Amino acid sequence: QVQLVQSGAEVKKPGASVKVSCKASGYTFTSYYMHWVRQAPGQGLEWMGIINPSGGSTSYAQKFQGRVTMTRDTSTSTVYMELSSLRSEDTAVYYCARRNQQLVVDYWGQGTLVTVSS
Amino acid sequence: EIVLTQSPGTLSLSPGERATLSCRASQSVSSSYLAWYQQKPGQAPRLLIYGASSRATGIPDRFSGSGSGTDFTLTISRLEPEDFAVYYCQQYGSSRRLTFGGGTKVEIK
Repeated sequence: QVQLVQSGAEVKKPGASVKVSCKASGYTFTSYYMHWVRQAPGQGLEWMGIINPSGGSTSYAQKFQGRVTMTRDTSTSTVYMELSSLRSEDTAVYYCARRNQQLVVDYWGQGTLVTVSS
Repeated sequence: EIVLTQSPGTLSLSPGERATLSCRASQSVSSSYLAWYQQKPGQAPRLLIYGASSRATGIPDRFSGSGSGTDFTLTISRLEPEDFAVYYCQQYGSSRRLTFGGGTKVEIK
């Protein structure tokens, strides 16, 4: 069965960077794009970007351009999302989510809480 | 960029009642690339409907989606206790970016 397992919660100081991982299993890793979506406390869902695990190409939301980097390791079927220059407004749960062949986001990771606090 | 507006913000209903949730797009959603998700506290979103009206695997038939163009609806025919949650509409497609509505909370009256 498809599983997306994310890394654990992080606490970071303003100005620092965070790198969240998402390990995929139960399907052919390189055949499905992966999105990253975040959710601030009590707020809605916000799209951050997408990575093609096959070639590594990415597309980022304009809001995060210059601060976010998405990468992948095909040897471990893991995608990563690194966000730099953290500020308090980046406190959120970060999700990886798989895009299927019909372009539908069908599976989500369990989420990773990133807290930015001095 | 498409903006999705969901209404109402909160829906207060009793178990057994019918829920009707609206999602309006600022411009036409191509090929009905519109999905609905359910989210419960502390959980990741769960896919309910894609292609505006197709139920995802394992989703009960009390959930149905309809609409096209700029107006879409999620209907829950008879609310079960486990259906009280927040629901999001989402636009997707070949552009690779995703857009979400602000969500509708379905709460117990």
